[in-house]
Amino acid sequence: QSALTQPPSVSGSPGQSVTISCTGTSSDVGSYNRVSWYQQPPGTAPKVMIYEVSHRPSGVPDRFSGSKSGNTASLTISGLQAEDEADYYCNSYTSSSTYVFGTGTKVTVL
Amino acid sequence: QVQVVESGGGVVQPGRSLRLSCAASGFTFSNYGMHWVRQAPGKGLEWVAVIWFDGSNEYYADAVKGRFTISRDNSKSTLYLQMNSLRAEDTAVYYCAREEYRYGYHFDHWGQGTLVTVSS
Repeated sequence: QSALTQPPSVSGSPGQSVTISCTGTSSDVGSYNRVSWYQQPPGTAPKVMIYEVSHRPSGVPDRFSGSKSGNTASLTISGLQAEDEADYYCNSYTSSSTYVFGTGTKVTVL
Repeated sequence: QVQVVESGGGVVQPGRSLRLSCAASGFTFSNYGMHWVRQAPGKGLEWVAVIWFDGSNEYYADAVKGRFTISRDNSKSTLYLQMNSLRAEDTAVYYCAREEYRYGYHFDHWGQGTLVTVSS
């Protein structure tokens, strides 16, 4: 049950786009569409931003989008805004009927 | 509105036990799988355990298997995490989370977390 691999940090200026990768294996990301993304500002509980690879819950801005290719899922934030600054985590279901989070990525708005 | 509220955290010595609770309200608790997720100070999220809606199945992260037990009382709309043989590395904020399934699988409601500190 190794954590999914994410870059430690990404940054961009307001209005730019950033993409966060989430690399797993054929036992998790590569085999299931139960991949979700969570936003966590400091000192708060996580909030779902994307579920089942590319679906957005109601209330989440359409600036957030998700995709998957092989063993790697991605979260893209288009038109970056100051309020997007937070930690982001991916999560996947696994072949052992367990779940695994990514290592987390800090998004900084310059 | 949907709410999950954790309790039971505190300071405990290594090797001792602690039981966390998560009180649910605003939804039919017995229809949903429930999870525990933890976050060590300054670290990332770590999935801990899941229990199916009817309590028929439980799954655990390797780091806690054999030491932690997840359970639920659907008559009380409450989730539990019994933590035995605690170690310093179990120090974390523990969150309970509901797993949505009708509109795609994900953790849609989280509590505010309860802090467990394992220290002598």
